[in-house]
Amino acid sequence: QVQLKESGPGLVQPSETLSLTCTVSGFSLTSYGVNWVRQPPGKGLEWMGTIWNDGSTDYNSALKSRLSISRDTSKSQVFLKMNSLQTEDTAIYLCARDVRGTFDYWGQGVMVTVSS
Amino acid sequence: DIQMTQSPASLSASLGETVTIECRASEDIYSNLAWYQQKPGNSPQLLIYDANSLADGVPSRFSGSGSGTQYSLKINSLQSEDVASYFCQQYNNYPTFGAGTKLELK
Repeated sequence: QVQLKESGPGLVQPSETLSLTCTVSGFSLTSYGVNWVRQPPGKGLEWMGTIWNDGSTDYNSALKSRLSISRDTSKSQVFLKMNSLQTEDTAIYLCARDVRGTFDYWGQGVMVTVSS
Repeated sequence: DIQMTQSPASLSASLGETVTIECRASEDIYSNLAWYQQKPGNSPQLLIYDANSLADGVPSRFSGSGSGTQYSLKINSLQSEDVASYFCQQYNNYPTFGAGTKLELK
């Protein structure tokens, strides 16, 4: 069955770089896009970016200068890197499969706290 | 970016009641709208896509409607398991979400 699972550090120092991995199963990254979405505690959802089945990417304009999304299809993994983290980047980070713009399967999310 | 204005921010309803949540887009999104349910501690779950199509496994008491810039999610005969937050999302352009509606039992 389709599954996505995020992994990465729970604590990041201010000004440092966040690196997260989304490991997928039950589908191929060459057939579906994968999105990254984040949710500050108790707040709403913010789309961060998408890596499409052909490997191209789109980014939220508010994050574009700090964000990079890549993948390793042989390992069924999608990577997120975001630099210059600040306290307002504290959030649950989720990956989700893309089907024509909707997000039909989601990972459980990983909580990332930005603090010294 | 397309802005999504969702209302109300919170809602209290009784079991068996019908509830409606609204979403307004800042421009025409041509029915490229989805609704998600998020229960506390869980990830969002897709309920509705293309404004009115029910996702797999979603109970028929959920329905979506609307066009242009105005959309709504209706829950008929509210059940206890429907207590959750609900978000709309447009995908006519880069995805954006509404701020969410927290649904509680009265």
